[in-house]
Amino acid sequence: AQTVTQSQPEMSVQEAETVTLSCTYDTSESDYYLFWYKQPPSRQMILVIRQEAYKQQNATENRFSVNFQKAAKSFSLKISDSQLGDAAMYFCAYRPSNSGYALNFGKGTSLLVTP
Amino acid sequence: EAGVAQSPRYKIIEKRQSVAFWCNPISGHATLYWYQQILGQGPKLLIQFQNNGVVDDSQLPKDRFSAERLKGVDSTLKIQPAKLEDSAVYLCASSPLMSGFYEQYFGPGTRLTVT
Repeated sequence: AQTVTQSQPEMSVQEAETVTLSCTYDTSESDYYLFWYKQPPSRQMILVIRQEAYKQQNATENRFSVNFQKAAKSFSLKISDSQLGDAAMYFCAYRPSNSGYALNFGKGTSLLVTP
Repeated sequence: EAGVAQSPRYKIIEKRQSVAFWCNPISGHATLYWYQQILGQGPKLLIQFQNNGVVDDSQLPKDRFSAERLKGVDSTLKIQPAKLEDSAVYLCASSPLMSGFYEQYFGPGTRLTVT
């Protein structure tokens, strides 16, 4: 079974600064998808960024980027120029590409953004 | 386009009572998921539908939980009888297809409190 580990229960960052959230996963699959989801206090889960494992280039979406290290099975999220609206729970998720399985989530990291 | 709709948003019941949750996915989405999110944890899949057929219900406590997706559109999740440990947020999500590099879209969730 695949497992997703987020080792940082809580992180704090000042407005306009950069923060990195860590995620590691365990799998025997060679091709898979990785996702970062954001869950604000309103509870609506929103996709932040996604990465296909066969692509070596790290995905970027505006202020959000990932550092994907396939050999190390690491998928960290970097948030640049942090904003107050970035405060939320962030979940790392995994799914094999060759199946229709649902997402396998980590326990999440709570991000606090201070003015 | 309208997002995933869920109702009710909140529900408080006593243990041993029954409860039902409703989900309306994004129009045209063939795949529907029900996740259980216990406080402080990431979402965990309960059941996955492809159109009106069940793809994965391996983690659904079938002695008390049931779900259906009649006509391959709306879905209901029922708990009967409820236990204290069923207190959680129940998230519904949908995606266009089951496999592939598709995003899952989440509803706002239903927060269940069992007393």
